[in-house]
Amino acid sequence: NAGVTQTPKFQVLKTGQSMTLQCAQDMNHEYMSWYRQDPGMGLRLIHYSVGAGITDQGEVPNGYNVSRSTTEDFPLRLLSAAPSQTSVYFCASSPLRATDTQYFGPGTRLTVL
Amino acid sequence: GDSVTQMEGPVTLSEEACLTINCTYTATGYPSLFWYVQYPGEGLQLLLKATKADDKGSNKGFEATYRKETTSFHLEKGSVQVSDSAVYFCALTQNSGYALNFGKGTSLLVTP
Repeated sequence: NAGVTQTPKFQVLKTGQSMTLQCAQDMNHEYMSWYRQDPGMGLRLIHYSVGAGITDQGEVPNGYNVSRSTTEDFPLRLLSAAPSQTSVYFCASSPLRATDTQYFGPGTRLTVL
Repeated sequence: GDSVTQMEGPVTLSEEACLTINCTYTATGYPSLFWYVQYPGEGLQLLLKATKADDKGSNKGFEATYRKETTSFHLEKGSVQVSDSAVYFCALTQNSGYALNFGKGTSLLVTP
């Protein structure tokens, strides 16, 4: 099993550009989520999904879109990148919900100039 | 809303020293509590968890006890190793919830 994979590992964008961070899992997990990690802030939840076709907002959803068309994939879209979105982004999955063990991907380091 | 507060780091210890990282929480009811660890350059991984009051989670020599009366879940290890150098995150979630609330993380450096 590959577990949770994220691409790309690093990305540099200019302000106003859009891009999609990819996340995939091969464990047949229903629950998937996106976090951003900023120095001194811990991890903050952006969006989550409890199954294909179902998504909901977390603590910091503004500027981000998600969709869940398959169980395996949960892409995160930045609509118009801003310097405030410079961060490390982690995708996680678990069998059903947040109380289950979360399996994290290796992260994507995004810099917005 | 629910929140987690953990001691600020960095914490620097010599090998074989005792470790305690404090974590307290604010939440209604009886949330589930977790410690996740992030090794350099990697994603987070679950270290241990406890789902009800007085439960003790343990793994790799680390322990934490769910104390409802003091709303705490302190992480302890009797003898740390250089390989324990990492960032440690305390987290909670409500048992019917779909979001983990993380503390800010505590960086631990263990020197030979």
